[in-house]
Amino acid sequence: DSGVTQTPKHLITATGQRVTLRCSPRSGDLSVYWYQQSLDQGLQFLIQYYNGEERAKGNILERFSAQQFPDLHSELNLSSLELGDSALYFCASSTRRGQGAELFFGEGSRLTVL
Amino acid sequence: GENVEQHPSTLSVQEGDSAVIKCTYSDSASNYFPWYKQELGKGPQLIIDIRSNVGEKKDQRIAVTLNKTAKHFSLHITETQPEDSAVYFCAASNTGNQFYFGTGTSLTVIP
Repeated sequence: DSGVTQTPKHLITATGQRVTLRCSPRSGDLSVYWYQQSLDQGLQFLIQYYNGEERAKGNILERFSAQQFPDLHSELNLSSLELGDSALYFCASSTRRGQGAELFFGEGSRLTVL
Repeated sequence: GENVEQHPSTLSVQEGDSAVIKCTYSDSASNYFPWYKQELGKGPQLIIDIRSNVGEKKDQRIAVTLNKTAKHFSLHITETQPEDSAVYFCAASNTGNQFYFGTGTSLTVIP
């Protein structure tokens, strides 16, 4: 158990809908990362937060947004869903500010868009 | 941004043999290179890492090498066991702690 909790574990929805994925980082971890894992594209970096502030953006679509709350949990909002958004979404957290901080991953939220 | 390439995408070895997975990166500012193992239904877990000031690191049956000049790094697993079967990801990270992952290698160890 990495200590990172993601909910829901599975989600099935229809095209055009909106969903929210939730992540609780390890106790004391200030950084939260979101990744998308598709079959043919590995782990794609979406966005990083540190102590409530956005730190870096990767290949995140404009239809997607995220935030980190004062209690450090994070939510990833996916809207106007398309079939291609079906994927496993991982949250990871880390605590160290310096280089080489280990990422601890949750078990992921599997999104299926029909 | 950083681009990490990983090869091979699939690898099958006999139990007891060695396995090698190779990655290349593009951004010379990357200075931290972790390797993650992902078992079925679970999130990736760190197994070994190396920093840019080190050329090689070993931890029991696994080792990682880094060639900064050529911008490539490799994972070596010796005396493979069935429980080594998993998907392995390499990653490159910079001082901003942004991590860029390779596309993964599915390793199968045949008993």
